[in-house]
Amino acid sequence: EDQVTQSPEALRLQEGESSSLNCSYTVSGLRGLFWYRQDPGKGPEFLFTLYSAGEEKEKERLKATLTKKESFLHITAPKPEDSATYLCAVQDTGTASKLTFGTGTRLQVTL
Amino acid sequence: DTGVSQNPRHKITKRGQNVTFRCDPISEHNRLYWYRQTLGQGPEFLTYFQNEAQLEKSRLLSDRFSAERPKGSFSTLEIQRTEQGDSAMYLCASSLVGDRDGETQYFGPGTRLLVL
Repeated sequence: EDQVTQSPEALRLQEGESSSLNCSYTVSGLRGLFWYRQDPGKGPEFLFTLYSAGEEKEKERLKATLTKKESFLHITAPKPEDSATYLCAVQDTGTASKLTFGTGTRLQVTL
Repeated sequence: DTGVSQNPRHKITKRGQNVTFRCDPISEHNRLYWYRQTLGQGPEFLTYFQNEAQLEKSRLLSDRFSAERPKGSFSTLEIQRTEQGDSAMYLCASSLVGDRDGETQYFGPGTRLLVL
């Protein structure tokens, strides 16, 4: 059974204080690893898809990386508007379509 | 830009009543998914359609739940005889299978259900 574990559960940063979120996963075969951002009371907003170990993707202050066992979401010089829950999900080659999510990391960025 | 839309956004019902939610996917997306999310948890897969065919259902989907996607366009999720444990955010997502990026699922705003 696919498993996704995210850490830390919650993270509080000051504006400009860079950090990383971790997503560890177990799948029989990785079809894709996905990062989403979710604001309170809203649906997840797509950020990145990673397909193979060594792949990296960037968007503004966010950079996602992938190894064979985990993914990191690096946040450089965060701003208060980056405050949200960041969700990691995997898609298994065996189960084809469904996403298996972690419980997320709640990020709060303060002035 | 017409993203995934869901209606209603909020629903309050009494235990034992039936409820129906609607999802309109991104135009021309051929796959449509339903997930359920409770507080502090990530979304959990319920079921998905490719065009009008329902291809997979989770063990979470009890026989009180039924989903349809007539004509391969919008989808409805019905919950019969609601229970308090059904209270959750119901999320719909869509994707375009065939592209590598088509494996990416785009989510709607969700329908928050509260069963009293």
